[in-house]
Amino acid sequence: QLQLQESGPGLVKPSETLSLTCTVSGGSISSSSYYWGWIRQPPGKGLEWIGSIYYSGSTYYNPSLKSRVTISVDTSKNQFSLKLSSVTAADTAVYYCARLTIYTAMVTLWGQGTLVTVSS
Amino acid sequence: DIQMTQSPSSLSASVGDRVTITCQASQDISNYLNWYQQKPGKAPKLLIYDASNLETGVPSRFSGSGSGTDFTFTISSLQPEDIATYYCQQYDNLPQGITFGGGTKVEIK
Repeated sequence: QLQLQESGPGLVKPSETLSLTCTVSGGSISSSSYYWGWIRQPPGKGLEWIGSIYYSGSTYYNPSLKSRVTISVDTSKNQFSLKLSSVTAADTAVYYCARLTIYTAMVTLWGQGTLVTVSS
Repeated sequence: DIQMTQSPSSLSASVGDRVTITCQASQDISNYLNWYQQKPGKAPKLLIYDASNLETGVPSRFSGSGSGTDFTFTISSLQPEDIATYYCQQYDNLPQGITFGGGTKVEIK
């Protein structure tokens, strides 16, 4: 069945750029029914939607992070990626990649999550 | 931006108790609300969509109601396996308007 898997460095220095990739396996990323997104959760805290992308490349970002976020998609590799620039300790979190339904934003599929720590 | 105020932030109840969690939106979001369960160390799991619809495979002791700005999530008879943190999520103004409530941690008394 369809699975999502995050990959990328677990440690990023302050002021640098956090980069993560999500690989979609067991199905195609080029579905008209879903967005592909990133959601994060600081340790011991709640969930925050970072942004989403459609397979065509259309992107949608959380206004509070928009100036620092870039999400891209590579349909040939069945992957989508997150870049978050100028990170600080406040960006330390578990980062989940996720599949969201088009009309109801239901997250019915999640990656296992990857902890990214921002520290020198 | 739409803010979601979830309460309480934590609660303790006995097995078999009825548990109620509320989520209030800062503006009318119709029924554009989902509920998730998150167990420690795991990704969240969708329980309720469109405010009141039970996701396939989710036990019927879970339910949701509400529209506009006020929403309720209920566990009719708390079970030990329901120990988790529960989040509401609004999706008004898709695709760029998605926010989560602060979460409610449910524990067994």
